[in-house]
Amino acid sequence: GAGVSQSPSNKVTEKGKDVELRCDPISGHTALYWYRQSLGQGLEFLIYFQGNSAPDKSGLPSDRFSAERTGGSVSTLTIQRTQQEDSAVYLCASSFIVPPGHGGSGNTIYFGEGSWLTVV
Amino acid sequence: DQQVKQNSPSLSVQEGRISILNCDYTNSMFDYFLWYKKYPAEGPTFLISISSIKDKNEDGRFTVFLNKSAKHLSLHIVPSQPGDSAVYFCAAPRGNMLTFGGGTRLMVKP
Repeated sequence: GAGVSQSPSNKVTEKGKDVELRCDPISGHTALYWYRQSLGQGLEFLIYFQGNSAPDKSGLPSDRFSAERTGGSVSTLTIQRTQQEDSAVYLCASSFIVPPGHGGSGNTIYFGEGSWLTVV
Repeated sequence: DQQVKQNSPSLSVQEGRISILNCDYTNSMFDYFLWYKKYPAEGPTFLISISSIKDKNEDGRFTVFLNKSAKHLSLHIVPSQPGDSAVYFCAAPRGNMLTFGGGTRLMVKP
């Protein structure tokens, strides 16, 4: 489809294992965001990519989390040595070059359906 | 440091009545606000927004009100429908990203 695509949709992993979550943004969108939603919590910003600029990693909770975006399109979020508190829905979003707060509007940000991560 | 707060985790309303979802913020520099709606197993979708130069924005059954002096905004849905049952998030742009409230789960009973 034409929306933001995330995989896997569900992942159960053992504590201490590494996981990779993938995001395919909408074609033509240069901005890409990762958020997560823990049980009963709001949406927590993790990282933001914009074109070829250095990513904004200010939301990553620890150095076990990293993300990359290859060729300005697909992004991979990697969580090393997973812990139970990493269990959450990891949401990817993309938008046109102008994110909200810089003249854009919220209806240009599109979220994927999320990757549900459970660490046991 | 939660700059956007939704103090009601849930709200139950009868079909046909008005739903009022509230949101408070602490950062007076916020100049744009958005509401997102999220169904289970789906990503959030944009619903309605408001600029700080306005105090009201209406789109069909959805109206957002902004009270800058109180740093408060609210989303009104009237009449409420069972299909409106979802989690609603208010958000404000901060730097390169949106900062979200914790969400309010709305349940509209037939």
